[in-house]
Amino acid sequence: QVQLVQSGAEVKKPGASVKVSCKASGYTFTDYYVHWVRQAPGQGLEWMGWINPNSGGTNYAQKFQGRVTMTLDTSISTAYMELSRLRSDDRAVYYCARGSWEIGLDPWGQGTLVTVSS
Amino acid sequence: EIVMTQSPGTLSLSPGERATLSCRASQSVSSSYLAWFQQKPGQAPRLLIYGASRRATGTPDRFSGSGSGTDFTLTVSRLEPEDFAVYYCQQYGSSPLTFGGGTKVEIK
Repeated sequence: QVQLVQSGAEVKKPGASVKVSCKASGYTFTDYYVHWVRQAPGQGLEWMGWINPNSGGTNYAQKFQGRVTMTLDTSISTAYMELSRLRSDDRAVYYCARGSWEIGLDPWGQGTLVTVSS
Repeated sequence: EIVMTQSPGTLSLSPGERATLSCRASQSVSSSYLAWFQQKPGQAPRLLIYGASRRATGTPDRFSGSGSGTDFTLTVSRLEPEDFAVYYCQQYGSSPLTFGGGTKVEIK
């Protein structure tokens, strides 16, 4: 079955960077985009951007431009999201999701909690 | 950016009742690229509806989506205990992709 498995929880200090991985299985990795979405505690969903595993092209939400980098290792069907210059308000659960223009975001990874604390 | 507005914020209903959730977009959503997600505490969102009205694999037929342009609706014909959750709409037709603020369906 199609599955996205993310890396474990992280605790980082303000100003540091975090890199979250998302390993795909059950489908051809290069056939679908990978999107990243975050959710602050008790809040709604916020789209961060996507990466195209076929071309490596990216599209980042303006809010994260300059701080987010999405990359790939297609040899192991894994996507990565790195967020730099972390602030306390970056504390959130970060999700990856498989994306297609037809059906949107489905399925989602289980989420990775990133805590930013001094 | 297309702003998605959901109403109501909270819906208090009993099992067996009908739930009607609304989602309004600030601009027309391209080609009905509108999705609905269900999220339960501690879980990732789950896709229920895509293309405004198409049920995703595994979505029970008591869930239905309708609408076009700027106004969309998710209807749950008869609430089951497992349906009490938060529901989000999302447009995926133009960048940036945007979500509504969510509607919590709680047990009355």
